[in-house]
Amino acid sequence: DAGVIQSPRHEVTEMGQEVTLRCKPISGHDYLFWYRQTMMRGLELLIYFNNNVPIDDSGMPEDRFSAKMPNASFSTLKIQPSEPRDSAVYFCASSFGFGSTTYFGPGTRLLVL
Amino acid sequence: DAKTTQPNSMESNEEEPVHLPCNHSTISGTDYIHWYRQLPSQGPEYVIHGLTSNVNNRMASLAIAEDRKSSTLILHRATLRDAAVYYCILEAGGTSYGKLTFGQGTILTVHP
Repeated sequence: DAGVIQSPRHEVTEMGQEVTLRCKPISGHDYLFWYRQTMMRGLELLIYFNNNVPIDDSGMPEDRFSAKMPNASFSTLKIQPSEPRDSAVYFCASSFGFGSTTYFGPGTRLLVL
Repeated sequence: DAKTTQPNSMESNEEEPVHLPCNHSTISGTDYIHWYRQLPSQGPEYVIHGLTSNVNNRMASLAIAEDRKSSTLILHRATLRDAAVYYCILEAGGTSYGKLTFGQGTILTVHP
């Protein structure tokens, strides 16, 4: 397997624009996680899915953020409208669930100007 | 979520063993203990995990205290490639099933 795949790897956008981050989990994994990492706040869990259903979105900072998982092999994290404080590295990860290894993607480095 | 406490930073010399401690005094009986590391400019990477017994793999060993209130990640011979942030994380069952909550971790510096 190619591991967790994220796209784009880098994104530069202007404030107010819509940003869509994409993730393909490892085949067979039924848990998918979206994390955000900044120097100030470290690694934060934004939302996670089990069998394509959102389980916990308490980490989503505000309504500008939304995540979907239309099928087992694809998820998106959308920010609309984007703001400079959304600049961060966004990681997608997947696993088989409790007691198993979580595999992280390479991340998307987002810069909002 | 049960919390973990780790030193902010540690240093080691190359080819020497490194013992990274973690305290988790509020651990529950079904919580897994995970260790991940993050190399510069990369995503977190799995190192090792365990429940009650000590664990060994090709990367490291995990020593779990008998009361499970603390654990130690052991790198048997540190290399320069092991310089990273090491995170000790408790994975709880129940409503937090499968979820990993990262703390600040320990920054490991390895000197040549």
